[in-house]
Amino acid sequence: QLQLQESGPGLVKPSETLSLTCTVSGDSISRSSYYWAWIRQPPGKGLEWIGNIYYTGTIYYNPSLKSRVTISVDTSKNQFSLMLTSVTAADTAVYYCASGNWNYGQRWFDPWGQGSLVTVSS
Amino acid sequence: DIQMTQSPSSLSASVGDRVTITCRASQSVANYLNWYQQKPGKAPKLLIYAASNLQSGVPSRFSGSGSGTDFTLTISSLQPEDFATYFCQQSYSTPYTFGQGTKLQIK
Repeated sequence: QLQLQESGPGLVKPSETLSLTCTVSGDSISRSSYYWAWIRQPPGKGLEWIGNIYYTGTIYYNPSLKSRVTISVDTSKNQFSLMLTSVTAADTAVYYCASGNWNYGQRWFDPWGQGSLVTVSS
Repeated sequence: DIQMTQSPSSLSASVGDRVTITCRASQSVANYLNWYQQKPGKAPKLLIYAASNLQSGVPSRFSGSGSGTDFTLTISSLQPEDFATYFCQQSYSTPYTFGQGTKLQIK
């Protein structure tokens, strides 16, 4: 059973870089049937897709964040990571990692990690 | 970006009620539409994928329908554990986008 767990600092100062890691267990992060995603949710608000990375290395980012975001995979550790630069209070959110599944062109997120609250504050 | 709009934003209902939540896309997403359930302090959980396919392990009282721009999530007989927030999400094109959520509360 695939499981995901986010880790990283819960507090980041304005203008600094937010870094989170998602550890995948239960299967190989290199398996072609999966892709890997980051999604965030500001407190009390809706969900915002940040980006996807595929086993081929192809990455898609949300254009609203593209200039500040990097998603990468470390297959040796079965982990993938998120970096978001030049953060402001607007980046305060619960950050979720998720497994993307695809079949016949359809795509969905399942399962999700439990989420990691990151607060941007001095 | 494709905008996803859910209605209603909140809904009060009783155990045993039949409930329908609507999701409308700003342009056609064919059947590239997923539904998630989120309980307070928890991660979203996939209920329905590709508009009408029930995820394994999800109770059969949940169903989804629609294509193009209009979609519905129906709960045939509400159970106490169903009181949560529901989100739709389009996977037709990036950036993937979510509806604003429908909060289902106990009447």
